[in-house]
Amino acid sequence: DIQMTQSPSSLSAFVGDRVTITCRASQTISDGLNWYQQKPGKAPKVVIYGASSLQSGVPSRFSGSGSGTDFTLTISNLQPEDFATYFCQQSYFTPPTFGGGTRVEI
Amino acid sequence: QVQLVQSGAEVKKPGASVKVSCKASGYSFRAYYMHWVRQAPGQGLEWMGWINPNSGGTNPAQKFQDRVTLTRDSSIGTAYMELIDLSSDDTAVYYCARAHVWEFSNFLDYWGQGTLVSVSP
Repeated sequence: DIQMTQSPSSLSAFVGDRVTITCRASQTISDGLNWYQQKPGKAPKVVIYGASSLQSGVPSRFSGSGSGTDFTLTISNLQPEDFATYFCQQSYFTPPTFGGGTRVEI
Repeated sequence: QVQLVQSGAEVKKPGASVKVSCKASGYSFRAYYMHWVRQAPGQGLEWMGWINPNSGGTNPAQKFQDRVTLTRDSSIGTAYMELIDLSSDDTAVYYCARAHVWEFSNFLDYWGQGTLVSVSP
């Protein structure tokens, strides 16, 4: 199975900050990388798919980049509603696998 | 609008089985694979498998292959996940999620609200 390593596991930031989360795959996955946001007690919600495509309805302050094995999720101008846990997921190979998550805290 | 509505919380004894349902609405049920993902308390996301609602074909994760059964009733737009021989390690929130195919990959674009399954003596 493809191992997905996310870093950091948690971070603290201020409203208005620019935040970057990284995800590394144990082997190349082309651009088969998705990012999900999860708030406490809620189901995950996709924010970025295909490494860099913004899901419909997601604010443009979210962006994704990368290809192959190294990927980043960037949140510019962090807003109060962005404080959540973010998971990367590779869907290029079966089984799909998730990173361990990054908790973004105030 | 697309909605996935799951059945309610369950409390089970070790060794028992549980069957979670996921009723889809707002789209053509047969057109999108349905995935199942679980999340133990305070932990990450773990993929369990998918079902093709059109053919009924399934692909369970190897870890669950002997214990999970994925089925569907296309006439009522509902997918099911049954897990047998439960242990305390199976205590988790179980989610169904619709897969949206994109190029050579896919992403989970709609999720159910989750079903908490608690396993305790």
